Amino acid sequence: QKEVEQNSGPLSVPEGAIASLNCTYSDRGSQSFFWYRQYSGKSPELIMSIYSNGDKEDGRFTAQLNKASQYVSLLIRDSQPSDSATYLCAVLDGTSYGKLTFGQGTILTVHP
Amino acid sequence: GAVVSQHPSRVICKSGTSVKIECRSLDFQATTMFWYRQFPKQSLMLMATSNEGSKATYEQGVEKDKFLINHASLTLSTLTVTSAHPEDSSFYICSARDPHYGYTFGSGTRLTVV
Repeated sequence: QKEVEQNSGPLSVPEGAIASLNCTYSDRGSQSFFWYRQYSGKSPELIMSIYSNGDKEDGRFTAQLNKASQYVSLLIRDSQPSDSATYLCAVLDGTSYGKLTFGQGTILTVHP
Repeated sequence: GAVVSQHPSRVICKSGTSVKIECRSLDFQATTMFWYRQFPKQSLMLMATSNEGSKATYEQGVEKDKFLINHASLTLSTLTVTSAHPEDSSFYICSARDPHYGYTFGSGTRLTVV
């Protein structure tokens, strides 16, 4: 069974700090990786997608992918209280229908 | 960006009744849509993959006779929870794969069965 594991959390960081979220996956054939943010009672919203090894930056967010280690991470710089949410790592399998498998989520709290 | 509209956002029904949830892609065509269920403090669990013009593909352990999926057009998929019971109370979320932004989620439906 394909699995996606995230660091269990919850993670608490002070405002302005860097938050680091980690994710490992079991399916070596996976090619696409996503980070979603989910506020309580809301549906997930896409923050970052990454497909190639290395870093991808978008504003305060940087996704890192290492396919050899089957590892993907998300760094949030200058964390703000509004970043407090559950962060979900999702991995796309290689089938034609392209199912996403989600990790269990990491709760991030940014305190002032 | 791509928009997926999901209705209703919240529904309360009596045990034994059926509830229909609609998921529409507003500005793109979606040949494939996905239905997820999320229990409190848990992650999203894929229930089924909805394919336009063909039968849905259900994940292991999901009762296809209880969770009826219809993908009648390229912009609409529906999930009907039949003979709902309190254990079906959950947050149901649909998702569609759009050509530019990847996977877009609907706003979710909070189902409470009393």
